[in-house]
Formats: sequence, structure tokens, C-alpha cells
Amino acid sequence: EAAVTQSPRNKVTVTGGNVTLSCRQTNSHNYMYWYRQDTGHGLRLIHYSYGAGNLQIGDVPDGYKATRTTQEDFFLLLELASPSQTSLYFCASSEGGQGAVAEQFFGPGTRLTVL
Amino acid sequence: TQTVSQSDAHVTVFEGDSVELRCNYSYGGSIYLSWYIQHHGHGLQFLLKYYSGNPVVQGVNGFEAEFSKSDSSFHLRKASVHWSDSAVYFCAVSGNNYAQGLTFGLGTRVSVFP
Repeated sequence: EAAVTQSPRNKVTVTGGNVTLSCRQTNSHNYMYWYRQDTGHGLRLIHYSYGAGNLQIGDVPDGYKATRTTQEDFFLLLELASPSQTSLYFCASSEGGQGAVAEQFFGPGTRLTVL
Repeated sequence: TQTVSQSDAHVTVFEGDSVELRCNYSYGGSIYLSWYIQHHGHGLQFLLKYYSGNPVVQGVNGFEAEFSKSDSSFHLRKASVHWSDSAVYFCAVSGNNYAQGLTFGLGTRVSVFP
């Protein structure tokens, strides 16, 4: 079973602060995703990646950067955090592959509070 | 662009009852549909998926879902719920380029009472 871990699990910062959320998957998946989950909005895709060095923009990218340093590691960066970015963040990975529609494996989430 | 709607925000059932969670989607092309479960304080876990073939798909823990192209639906069902099925259930859709990530519904919270 795929293992997706996230750190930190909880983070509190102030407006204008610099935050990095980390995600690691250990099942050699090519695809990784960052979502945010908010009441009334469900999960929304922020950024995703096909592999190391690749980055694609999701549905709600404003205010976020991301970097995929290796196949295993995907980071979400908030360089000037705002209260509107207070949310529960999930990382996910999937195998993908042509013709294959693979399920996504989710990490446990990071709860971020921006004061 | 694909969209997905889950008409029920909260469903309450008793242990042993059956349950059906509704999911409707809109998309013009080939579509990939899935259901995920989220227990309180945890990430989402995959339940089942449909892409083609038999419109009734079986998932883990006795869940099944049925795809209907005419109704644009992918409803989730379970014949007899257990208290451990209390969770939030998300329907998700993706178009041809499934690698672009999933579009999730708002979720349906299921509360199972003894």
C-alpha cells in the first residue's frame, strides 16, 4: 500500500509569514498533488506534478508555489501567508500511466492556521 | 470542465440499514468517477472507481456504485451499514486527462447510529 506522509501536521503562522509544507511518498508514484480542503468547498486542487522538476497549475494556485525536487518529495510554499490560506492541506500521489486510471493515495493532512 | 454535485450534505442511518449516497456529474467526454471516504481527522481513502465496462462496480467493505450515463450519476450504496461507516464520503470526477487531478464534490456526511 502506498505511503504518503506530510509534515508538519499542524502549523500556525502570522500574516506575511513564510511556510513550507512537505510531502513524501514512498511508492514510486509519478503523479503528486496538493489540495486544500475547506468547509463549503470540498477539496480543491492547488498544484500537481508529473515527476521530478515538473510543476502544473491546478484550480486554485494563487498565493502558492510548489516544487517537486525528487520523485518522492513535493513541497508547497506559501511565501506571504494570508488568513485566507488557513485550511487543511492534503497531499496525494497516484501511479498514473497511459490507459490506466489510478486511484489517489492521500496523506494525513496538514492543518495550517494563518493569524 | 467537469463538475460534480452531491445532493445530500448529511445522511443519518441506523446500523444495519441500507444507504445510498447520490452523486451527479457533468462532463462532455469520457469520464472517470470514483468515491473516497474520509474518517474524522484522517486523509481520504479510495473506495471504488468506474471508467468503462460493467456499470456496477464493487469496492471495499461492501460498498458498490452504479454508473448511469443517461442520468449522469454515480451513486454509492451499501446494503447494511456499520457504525464504522460513519464518515464523510466524496464523489470525484476526472476527464480524459485524469492526471490533472480530481474534481471533488462537497461531500456527504454519514452518521450511523446503533
